[in-house]
Amino acid sequence: GENVEQHPSTLSVQEGDSAVIKCTYSDSASNYFPWYKQELGKRPQLIIDIRSNVGEKKDQRIAVTLNKTAKHFSLHITETQPEDSAVYFCAALLFGNEKLTFGTGTRLTIIP
Amino acid sequence: DTEVTQTPKHLVMGMTNKKSLKCEQHMGHRAMYWYKQKAKKPPELMFVYSYEKLSINESVPSRFSPECPNSSLLNLHLHALQPEDSALYLCASSQEGRGKQYFGPGTRLTVL
Repeated sequence: GENVEQHPSTLSVQEGDSAVIKCTYSDSASNYFPWYKQELGKRPQLIIDIRSNVGEKKDQRIAVTLNKTAKHFSLHITETQPEDSAVYFCAALLFGNEKLTFGTGTRLTIIP
Repeated sequence: DTEVTQTPKHLVMGMTNKKSLKCEQHMGHRAMYWYKQKAKKPPELMFVYSYEKLSINESVPSRFSPECPNSSLLNLHLHALQPEDSALYLCASSQEGRGKQYFGPGTRLTVL
């Protein structure tokens, strides 16, 4: 089955700086890679996703890059704000299989 | 409407009780999921109902029993649970083959 590794497990960033979280996956057949943000006591919220036929996707301050050859993908957050503080999970899925495999999570803290 | 609802929000039960968790979505999604999330861990897939079939994570014990009365409802029946089953139980839904999974707020379950 799919295995997703995520690094770092914790990340502290000064407000206004950029944050990068990296994930690697094991199953080369996986073709969909979402990122979820989970605040304390809340549900995971989908913040951005990317399909395997795309190398990069951007939505305002958030971007995701995918390297299919190396089987890794990354989340980039620019101009970080205190409200970006949360746990971030990457995940991988194969369309048609519908089984989402999550990474272990990164606790991001933005220092004011 | 992009909301998945879950009831109850909190549940405390003894090891001999029988209870049910409920999940509902009105987004026309035809795939629904149950996840278990322990503190500081990623969501772990328990069951998938998609393409009119139920898929079970083989590691899930039989004291958890899913039921899908129709395409917008998904229940999780609980019987003879153990204290280690205490966790946040998340429901999610998606369009089949589209990847994007939307999570409900979860039920916080405590087994005494």
